[in-house]
Amino acid sequence: EDQVTQSPEALRLQEGESSSLNCSYTVSGLRGLFWYRQDPGKGPEFLFTLYSAGEEKEKERLKATLTKKESFLHITAPKPEDSATYLCAVQPWGETSGSRLTFGEGTQLTVNP
Amino acid sequence: GAGVSQSPSNKVTEKGKDVELRCDPISGHTALYWYRQSLGQGLEFLIYFQGNSAPDKSGLPSDRFSAERTGGSVSTLTIQRTQQEDSAVYLCASSSPGTVEQYFGPGTRLTVT
Repeated sequence: EDQVTQSPEALRLQEGESSSLNCSYTVSGLRGLFWYRQDPGKGPEFLFTLYSAGEEKEKERLKATLTKKESFLHITAPKPEDSATYLCAVQPWGETSGSRLTFGEGTQLTVNP
Repeated sequence: GAGVSQSPSNKVTEKGKDVELRCDPISGHTALYWYRQSLGQGLEFLIYFQGNSAPDKSGLPSDRFSAERTGGSVSTLTIQRTQQEDSAVYLCASSSPGTVEQYFGPGTRLTVT
């Protein structure tokens, strides 16, 4: 059974204080690992897809990295508008089950001005 | 372009009533997914459509839940004889052919009283 564990559950940062969010996963065969951002009352917003260990993707102040067991979302010099819940999900290879995403419970990030 | 749309945005119903939730995917997206997000829990997969067929419906929690998709576009999730534990945000996502990224709608918040 695929599993995703995110830590910490909640993180408070001061504006400009860089940090990292962790996503540990177990999956039979990784097709893709996904990061989403979710604001209160809204659906998840797609950020990144990572496919293989060693891969990195960047977007503005965010950088996602992947190893064989975990992924990190690095936030550099965050701003208050980066406050949101960040979700990690995995998709396994397979026939019918290969398209479902298994999500972690998220990290709630608050960036104070 | 237009994203995934869902209606209604909020639904309050009495225990025992039936409800229908609608999802309109991004134009041209052949894959459609339903997830459920309960308070304090991660997103939970319900069902996956490829075109009008559902190769993976293993996430439906009971036979009170059903879904259909017509014309390879709009999907309806039906919950019969609603229970209080059905209260959650129901999210729909879609993806385009040959890609793995899933794009989410804003969700329908269902409250069963």
